Amino acid sequence: AQSVTQLDSQVPVFEEAPVELRCNYSSSVSVYLFWYVQYPNQGLQLLLKYLSGSTLVKGINGFEAEFNKSQTSFHLRKPSVHISDTAEYFCAVSEPGGGNKLTFGTGTQLKVEL
Amino acid sequence: DTGVSQDPRHKITKRGQNVTFRCDPISEHNRLYWYRQTLGQGPEFLTYFQNEAQLEKSRLLSDRFSAERPKGSFSTLEIQRTEQGDSAMYLCASSDPPRASGSLETQYFGPGTRLLVL
Repeated sequence: AQSVTQLDSQVPVFEEAPVELRCNYSSSVSVYLFWYVQYPNQGLQLLLKYLSGSTLVKGINGFEAEFNKSQTSFHLRKPSVHISDTAEYFCAVSEPGGGNKLTFGTGTQLKVEL
Repeated sequence: DTGVSQDPRHKITKRGQNVTFRCDPISEHNRLYWYRQTLGQGPEFLTYFQNEAQLEKSRLLSDRFSAERPKGSFSTLEIQRTEQGDSAMYLCASSDPPRASGSLETQYFGPGTRLLVL
């Protein structure tokens, strides 16, 4: 069975500073990897996804993530954050042929401060 | 494209009552998923449909839960004899089916229905 670990439940960062949100996964087969963002009282919005090919994936709002198969990681990065990036971020995996259902981590609350 | 909509957005009920939630997917999507999100946790898969067929159910979906998608468009999720442990955000998502074996279509999520069982 697949699983996702997000070790950091909260990450405080000052505006315009860089940030990295960590995600590690486990699976017995190849997986697809995703990062979703959830703003207060809203649904989940896809930031980016890795299916195959280049291990560096660029997403919306200036975010990017790098797939590292040997470390089973898919960390999310942004070089300079804004107040508006304050939200909950979820890493998720999906196995091919598994109905494409998503398995999520427990989330990381990013709090951007002035 | 009006996105995925869910109704109601909030529901407060007393233990033992039945509740029903509705999800309207993006119109051209024939896959529909239900997830549950409890406080401090990520969403957990409950079930999914392709058109009107319910193709998979999680072990989280006890006998008190039933989901339908009668015409392959909107879906309903009913919880009978609610318990306090059912308090959660119930999320719906929709997508196109995979275009080829091993491919993946993005799931688009609705705003969720927040259930509180007193």
